[in-house]
Amino acid sequence: EDKVVQSPLSLVVHEGDTVTLNCSYEVTNFRSLLWYKQEKKAPTFLFMLTSSGIEKKSGRLSSILDKKELFSILNITATQTGDSAVYLCATPVDAGGTSYGKLTFGQGTILTVHP
Amino acid sequence: ETGVTQTPRHLVMGMTNKKSLKCEQHLGHNAMYWYKQSAKKPLELMFVYSLEERVENNSVPSRFSPECPNSSHLFLHLHTLQPEDSALYLCASSQFLGYNSPLHFGNGTRLTVT
Repeated sequence: EDKVVQSPLSLVVHEGDTVTLNCSYEVTNFRSLLWYKQEKKAPTFLFMLTSSGIEKKSGRLSSILDKKELFSILNITATQTGDSAVYLCATPVDAGGTSYGKLTFGQGTILTVHP
Repeated sequence: ETGVTQTPRHLVMGMTNKKSLKCEQHLGHNAMYWYKQSAKKPLELMFVYSLEERVENNSVPSRFSPECPNSSHLFLHLHTLQPEDSALYLCASSQFLGYNSPLHFGNGTRLTVT
């Protein structure tokens, strides 16, 4: 069965710190890895990664995938209180070459940024 | 305001009640989903619809009954629920069913079963 494990489960930092969130995966047929940010309501899409070693960047957030070691990291630099959220990573389930839209999610990392 | 709207935001119901959750997407997407998020557990897929046709029923008990009348609307009909069904129910949509089509989520309905 496909598995996605995130670490740490929770993290408390102060504004201005840099954080690295980890996501490791074990899937039968890897297709992509997605990162979402959830602030008490709708998870919002951050990144989709399909190729190893290519960094995706959006402002202070960046993410990279390592398909050999089966993990991804999400970096947030110069953190702000508005970055406080649950960060989820997920990977689509490959149902024999067909996608049924099923994502296997990790349990999430709860990030708290204090002023 | 997200492109996926869910109502109600909060719902408290007894075990003998019948209620429905509603989801509407304004993104022109072809696929819609129901996910369940329980405390301290990963998000779990419940149902998937593509072009109004159900393509996945992830071993969900029959007390949950989905309905997709068109590609913009998705309902989840609830009856004789159990207290352990209390959770955040999230609707999502994607442009198409595919590995490279990210999901866009609604704000969810926080359901409490008493």
